[in-house]
Amino acid sequence: DIQMTQSPSSLSASVGDRITITCQASQDISNYLNWYQQKPGKAPELLIYDASNLEAGVPSRFSGSGSGTDFTFTISSLQPEDIATYYCQQYDNLLLTFGGGTKVEIK
Amino acid sequence: QVQLQESGPGLVKPSETLSLTCTVSGGSISSYYWSWIRQPPGKGLEWIGYMYYSGSTNYNPSLKSRVTISVDTSKNQFSLKVRSVTAADTAVYYCARGSRSTSRAWGQGTLVTVSS
Repeated sequence: DIQMTQSPSSLSASVGDRITITCQASQDISNYLNWYQQKPGKAPELLIYDASNLEAGVPSRFSGSGSGTDFTFTISSLQPEDIATYYCQQYDNLLLTFGGGTKVEIK
Repeated sequence: QVQLQESGPGLVKPSETLSLTCTVSGGSISSYYWSWIRQPPGKGLEWIGYMYYSGSTNYNPSLKSRVTISVDTSKNQFSLKVRSVTAADTAVYYCARGSRSTSRAWGQGTLVTVSS
């Protein structure tokens, strides 16, 4: 099974800060990676698909990059409504696995 | 806009079968892939499996021996059964619509507790 290692597990930043979350796959997954946002008590929402494609309707401050085993998710200017847990998810071999999540808080 | 709603018992006894239904409104179930994902309290997401509307399925190997996903196109619903449950199956269960790789529409989730 492909394991996804996501870091950090949590972070605290100020409004307007640029934040970065990384996700590392245990083997090459090409660009078969999604990023989801989950706000407290809510279902996850898709933000980025195929590693770097912004889902329709998602603000442009969210972005993703990477391929192979190393991936990055960035919020260019953190907003109060971005408080959530973010998950990467791979789909390389038709078996889907999620990273452990990154909880983002405001300082 | 499609909406998904999970329903089923909130409490299941150990060793019994957990059964949930996802009702789809605002769109037909006769296309797309239909998935189940779960989240134990305070923990991360775990993919359970998906079904294509035609009936083909794919399951998480760690759950495959205990899980069945089925679809009822006449009712625009799909279902999840998890057999021989234990406390480790306590979770919020989400149904979702999308492709094999990506879920774009999710239900609100339903908490299922396994306890005697």
